[in-house]
Formats: sequence, structure tokens, C-alpha cells
Amino acid sequence: GDSVTQMEGPVTLSEEAFLTINCTYTATGYPSLFWYVQYPGEGLQLLLKATKADDKGSNKGFEATYRKETTSFHLEKGSVQVSDSAVYFCALPLSYSGAGSYQLTFGKGTKLSVIP
Amino acid sequence: DTGVSQDPRHKITKRGQNVTFRCDPISEHNRLYWYRQTLGQGPEFLTYFQNEAQLEKSRLLSDRFSAERPKGSFSTLEIQRTEQGDSAMYLCASSLPRTDRGLTFGAGSRLTVL
Repeated sequence: GDSVTQMEGPVTLSEEAFLTINCTYTATGYPSLFWYVQYPGEGLQLLLKATKADDKGSNKGFEATYRKETTSFHLEKGSVQVSDSAVYFCALPLSYSGAGSYQLTFGKGTKLSVIP
Repeated sequence: DTGVSQDPRHKITKRGQNVTFRCDPISEHNRLYWYRQTLGQGPEFLTYFQNEAQLEKSRLLSDRFSAERPKGSFSTLEIQRTEQGDSAMYLCASSLPRTDRGLTFGAGSRLTVL
């Protein structure tokens, strides 16, 4: 079935360091891909998305490029801040769900801690 | 826009008891979703509603689970005869159809079954 695999955490970085969180997917066709973020004590929030191959999603300094050749959607940020400390989830729609669906399958999440 | 509200935030119950969670979505969102998240895992899809119609149910949703959205506004998720394996965070989310904004999640209702 459709699934996403994220790099294991936790990840600890110093402020202003470069961040990469790897995400690879297995899917039928070319679904939309998402990154969600969960800050401590809050609900998950959509961070960015890409709807087709070679699309780049970006938000709050984070970027991810939809690469069908490597079936990847890695999350990157050039200079992390303490406020970026959170859990990050890669996700894609379940294969049987229709276009525009948010019946999502999520990765296990990667906890990021940024220290001053 | 007050966001997605869930109640209660925490529930501790004994095995075999019934529990009910409530979700109030963003008022103009006609789609409502329930997910379950266990420790160290990502959320798992349970079910979703478009208005009052329950359009999809995951195989994870056993017969002990029932969800309703009677008037197309708030939703309830009931778990009957709880088991220890039901201990998890139950997440509610809502959205507009075909939106680019993704899902808006509530903070979740944490269930502990003793």
C-alpha cells in the first residue's frame, strides 16, 4: 500500500544550522505530497505541499521538492531557529481516496530540537 | 475563526468502559476527519464526513468505534468497551473541499485506558 518513510529522529541542531529531514514514498501514480508540523502542545499544521513532480513547496523558510525519480520529498531549511523545534511529518493521500482528498497516511514523524 | 476544538483534552478510563469525544470544526468547513496517533507514530486515518454523511471508514475502525456528525457541524467519536490498545491521541481535523490549505487539526483528545 501507499506509505511514507521518514528519517529516524530525534534530530538536534544548533541555531542557524542547515536542516534536512528525509522522506521517501511509495505510491500509485503521482499523488500530492505534504509536510505537516506539530509544535509542542498544538495540533498539526500544514507546513507545505507539492501537487506534481518537480514542484517545490515552500513556507517559513522551509522547502521540499517533489522528485519522482527518487520518490522523495525531503524537507530542508537553510538556517534553523529555536522556534522551529517541533515534530515534522511527511504525508500523502491514501491511494483509494479521490482527488483533493485529505485522507492521509503519515510518516512516523521526526522530532527536531534546535538549541541556541 | 476559533480553530478546531476537541473535548475532553484528556480522558482516563478503566478497561470496558465507554468513552465519547467531541470535535467542533471550523464553522465553514464541511469536511471533518478523525485520526488516531499512538506514541512515536504518525496519525492514522479513521474516518471522514462530508457534511453529515460518513463517506469513508478505515479498517482500523472496529465495531466498537462509532462516529457521528448529526447536523453536519460537530462530531462525536464513541469507543465502546475500551481496551488498553485504544490508548492513543484522537485527532480531529476539518477542511474545505479541494482546498490548498490542507487540514486544520485540533489539539487532540488523549485517551488512557487502565
